[in-house]
Amino acid sequence: DGGITQSPKYLFRKEGQNVTLSCEQNLNHDAMYWYRQDPGQGLRLIYYSQIVNDFQKGDIAEGYSVSREKKESFPLTVTSAQKNPTAFYLCASSNLGNEQFFGPGTRLTVL
Amino acid sequence: GQNIDQPTEMTATEGAIVQINCTYQTSGFNGLFWYQQHAGEAPTFLSYNVLDGLEEKGRFSSFLSRSKGYSYLLLKELQMKDSASYLCAVKGGTGRRALTFGSGTRLQVQP
Repeated sequence: DGGITQSPKYLFRKEGQNVTLSCEQNLNHDAMYWYRQDPGQGLRLIYYSQIVNDFQKGDIAEGYSVSREKKESFPLTVTSAQKNPTAFYLCASSNLGNEQFFGPGTRLTVL
Repeated sequence: GQNIDQPTEMTATEGAIVQINCTYQTSGFNGLFWYQQHAGEAPTFLSYNVLDGLEEKGRFSSFLSRSKGYSYLLLKELQMKDSASYLCAVKGGTGRRALTFGSGTRLQVQP
């Protein structure tokens, strides 16, 4: 089945640790995106990539890093520089100009 | 910059019709999307408007007026399962290929 997978579903991190969230898609989409959602809020764009080996900062990129070495994969690293990382993280993909399809999300909690 | 406004919460009765409004201000415009998001889940695509007018898809319809920076999502024959958040998202002009989301409207359908 075609789709987007994110792992893990739940993730716990100690303060000061870096952690990487996985996002894989087999839809052959060119573009991939990372969003953050806080309780009762909409989605805020962290990073996006329109093509392999290229990515752009979104509205809240500070404290995050990404890579796009393969078309299918767009991992997000939450670094210790991100002061308030507890949130629901959503990955999405699309062909440029079309609707975005979302993965199931990763809920990150900092202990 | 981009700004999107939606009501925070709405309540409606099963079997009724509800209209969820969205106003936006963007630098450039390349389409408006509506997504449905159940609590704790990923958003799912509902509709896309790029030209003025009404798009109908079953019980759901979406309207766009580009000159007024206004859209609405119309839900007919409401069912209990329609209780969810509804997110309005705008695709901006050149240089911004990702979506900007509103904060979402939480709809509660009552018996």
